[in-house]
Amino acid sequence: KNEVEQSPQNLTAQEGEFITINCSYSVGISALHWLQQHPGGGIVSLFMLSSGKKKHGRLIATINIQEKHSSLHITASHPRDSAVYICAVPKEGGGADGLTFGKGTHLIIQP
Amino acid sequence: EAGVAQSPRYKIIEKRQSVAFWCNPISGHATLYWYQQILGQGPKLLIQFQNNGVVDDSQLPKDRFSAERLKGVDSTLKIQPAKLEDSAVYLCASSLKRNTEAFFGQGTRLTVV
Repeated sequence: KNEVEQSPQNLTAQEGEFITINCSYSVGISALHWLQQHPGGGIVSLFMLSSGKKKHGRLIATINIQEKHSSLHITASHPRDSAVYICAVPKEGGGADGLTFGKGTHLIIQP
Repeated sequence: EAGVAQSPRYKIIEKRQSVAFWCNPISGHATLYWYQQILGQGPKLLIQFQNNGVVDDSQLPKDRFSAERLKGVDSTLKIQPAKLEDSAVYLCASSLKRNTEAFFGQGTRLTVV
């Protein structure tokens, strides 16, 4: 069974700062997901990546398959980026795709 | 493109009562997931369907929880009887096929009193 660890659990930063959230997992995977959850419960998929790096606007996700580690970066952070960011990987590793989620990183960006 | 629809958004019931949640996935999505998210925790997979067949229900408390997706489209999740510890947000997600990006509904917030 895959275990997912995220850090930090909570992060408060000033508007404009560069943000990094880390995720480690225990079992080799086909792909890793980064998701965003706002108060009220809605979850939005940000990235699904299996190697290298992906960029979408001010968000960048990287993954190192050998080290079983991924990072989510936010450049020029803004108060609207305040949310919970969750890393998720396939529950059993390999080709199974029901997800195991990390506990999330609560990010607050202050103006 | 319409997203994943869930209803109701909120439900309050007394313990030992029964409750049902409904999910309409994105059109054409073969894979459907139900997740339980307890306050302060990440979501936990309850059951995964591929079309109308169950792929994984290993974490579904089968003594009280049941789910079906009879025609391979809409799905219902039922709890009978509910316990206090079932208070959580129940999230439905769908994906075009296995191992592709999942899209989540807004969830149903259940409070058991």
